[in-house]
Amino acid sequence: DAGVIQSPRHEVTEMGQEVTLRCKPISGHNSLFWYRQTMMRGLELLIYFNNNVPIDDSGMPEDRFSAKMPNASFSTLKIQPSEPRDSAVYFCASSLVGAGHQPQHFGDGTRLSIL
Amino acid sequence: QKEVEQNSGPLSVPEGAIASLNCTYSDRGSQSFFWYRQYSGKSPELIMSIYSNGDKEDGRFTAQLNKASQYVSLLIRDSQPSDSATYLCASNNAGNMLTFGGGTRLMVKP
Repeated sequence: DAGVIQSPRHEVTEMGQEVTLRCKPISGHNSLFWYRQTMMRGLELLIYFNNNVPIDDSGMPEDRFSAKMPNASFSTLKIQPSEPRDSAVYFCASSLVGAGHQPQHFGDGTRLSIL
Repeated sequence: QKEVEQNSGPLSVPEGAIASLNCTYSDRGSQSFFWYRQYSGKSPELIMSIYSNGDKEDGRFTAQLNKASQYVSLLIRDSQPSDSATYLCASNNAGNMLTFGGGTRLMVKP
């Protein structure tokens, strides 16, 4: 079975540019999570969706960050304008809610470098 | 604030020994607990889950849960150099969000 698929795997861009990260959750999963991981702050939850609806975006650092989930198979995380402090690894994870104790399954991540 | 605490390590053990990784959590409403392994430059990979007090064994891994003490642990028997990684503990309450600890770095020396 295909796992969570993220693209691109690596992104290097200059400060001020728009960055769009993409995620395809595991088929049949109804919850999707975006995380950011840095050495200093560890793994931070940015936002999560349940049945394509944003439930908690309290982890989104500021208005430069936005996330959408137009359908059950696709989500984007956008940063506009990007800044060097946004450099991190961004993970997408998915799980199945309502089926007992279900863990989250992570994609391979996008390593983002803002110059 | 709901927290999950782990010793950052590194925890160094010789090959063949038992590695013991510990985790405490603050939210008494937490119902599910997960251990993820993360190799350097890779994504977190689920290795164990536990929901009830006691022990749960899967191969060389044993997860232990004590809800009264709000304590979760992971034992790795016959540790191998390939077990060297960062181990993340996570808890889940009635909602669907996971709270992650900062991770413990394990080093298994040949």
